[in-house]
Amino acid sequence: GPKVLQIPSHQIIDMGQMVTLNCDPVSNHLYFYWYKQILGQQMEFLVNFYNGKVMEKSKLFKDQFSVERPDGSYFTLKIQPTALEDSAVYFCASSLGQAAETLYFGSGTRLTVL
Amino acid sequence: QQQVRQSPQSLTVWEGETAILNCSYENSAFDYFPWYQQFPGEGPALLIAIRSVSDKKEDGRFTIFFNKREKKLSLHITDSQPGDSATYFCAASFTGYQNFYFGKGTSLTVIP
Repeated sequence: GPKVLQIPSHQIIDMGQMVTLNCDPVSNHLYFYWYKQILGQQMEFLVNFYNGKVMEKSKLFKDQFSVERPDGSYFTLKIQPTALEDSAVYFCASSLGQAAETLYFGSGTRLTVL
Repeated sequence: QQQVRQSPQSLTVWEGETAILNCSYENSAFDYFPWYQQFPGEGPALLIAIRSVSDKKEDGRFTIFFNKREKKLSLHITDSQPGDSATYFCAASFTGYQNFYFGKGTSLTVIP
């Protein structure tokens, strides 16, 4: 089936540094998402993105977070600066259309902030 | 406030048994409930979904039972196979709304 690729699978950084998580969504999909999952907790919605703009974001999407997809390349989540509580697995997802009911998820990037 | 709750947190069944995974939700306006299956090292993948206008949805060995009045649903996996061992997430959304609320998941182990 359609694949969403996330790079890297694991990233370890020091608190205060910047990190960029990369996502290669399904090629014809138009909506992109980031979810955050702390170990043992549910996946929580961070943000969705369409046509170059953030459509909706949650309280978890702090000012230090930003997303972009320059020129149809990777859909990225940037955290600057990072904090200890940002340690989690970040899942990227994409969907075909506005009322699409199926999200296609990547395998996640495990971010460890020391 | 947790919008979607799942139980049990983990479940072990023997091969051939029926596994029952439970889910409940807070917001009565939710009308779409997908279940996602996740294997270790992979992202969640849509398994089966139901709309609130139905009380049952079946796909092979997987069946969702939905009780709108009680805001509960369950996923039944009949004739469980070792290959069904995975984490199952219940999710909820509104039609046309670009956000899904996920439960914490149920980790299912099927023993041969």
